[in-house]
Amino acid sequence: DIVMTQTPLSSPVTLGQPASISCRSSQSLVHNDGNTYLSWLHQRPGQPPRLLIYKISNRFSGVPDRFSGSGAGTDFTLKITTVEAEDVGVYYCVQATHFPYSFGQGTKLEIK
Amino acid sequence: QVQLMESGGDLVKPGGSLRLSCAGSGFIFSDYYMNWVRQAPGKGLEWVAYISSGGTTIHYAHSVEGRFTISRDNGQNSLYLEMNSLRPEDTAVYYCVRDEGCAGGTCTDWGFDVWGQGTMVTVSS
Repeated sequence: DIVMTQTPLSSPVTLGQPASISCRSSQSLVHNDGNTYLSWLHQRPGQPPRLLIYKISNRFSGVPDRFSGSGAGTDFTLKITTVEAEDVGVYYCVQATHFPYSFGQGTKLEIK
Repeated sequence: QVQLMESGGDLVKPGGSLRLSCAGSGFIFSDYYMNWVRQAPGKGLEWVAYISSGGTTIHYAHSVEGRFTISRDNGQNSLYLEMNSLRPEDTAVYYCVRDEGCAGGTCTDWGFDVWGQGTMVTVSS
């Protein structure tokens, strides 16, 4: 089974400053069809998660362009260019290339 | 609008059973693969089960295999999770989550785009 490891687990940031979260998989996430099904989700307290990024780097509908995803193979990164107050919460990477699907442990983004 | 709504969560004793339901609306339910994902109190997300659009392909997390059964009724736009031999470690909010959708040979490139509000399952004596 694929293990997803996120770093850091906690990230205190200053409003207006950038933030970056890393996600590493224990095996390549390249599917037989050539796609890499690595997504990023954001969860605010008391709410279900929402999709931010799919297939490594594609912003989902309505997601601000301050969010970007990058990476390949087993190493992936979510970046926020300038953190806003509404960005607090927990960020998860998830792989849907191989069954069983698996999530990272989550990274808590909080404002300093 | 596109919506998923879970129901059926409850307090149940260890070894007991429960059936969760999820009603989809605002989209063509039968075009989409579906998942159940759970979140224990104060913890991260854990994928539980997957079912293809026609119900012919099913996958489970090792932690629930043999105890949980995922199913769907496309005529009723509904997804189900039958849970047996429940354990305290199954205590969690259970989310119904939309996965990739395919119609006419064209598929969306994404999954996990629609989540229900979740239903709480508590396993305790």
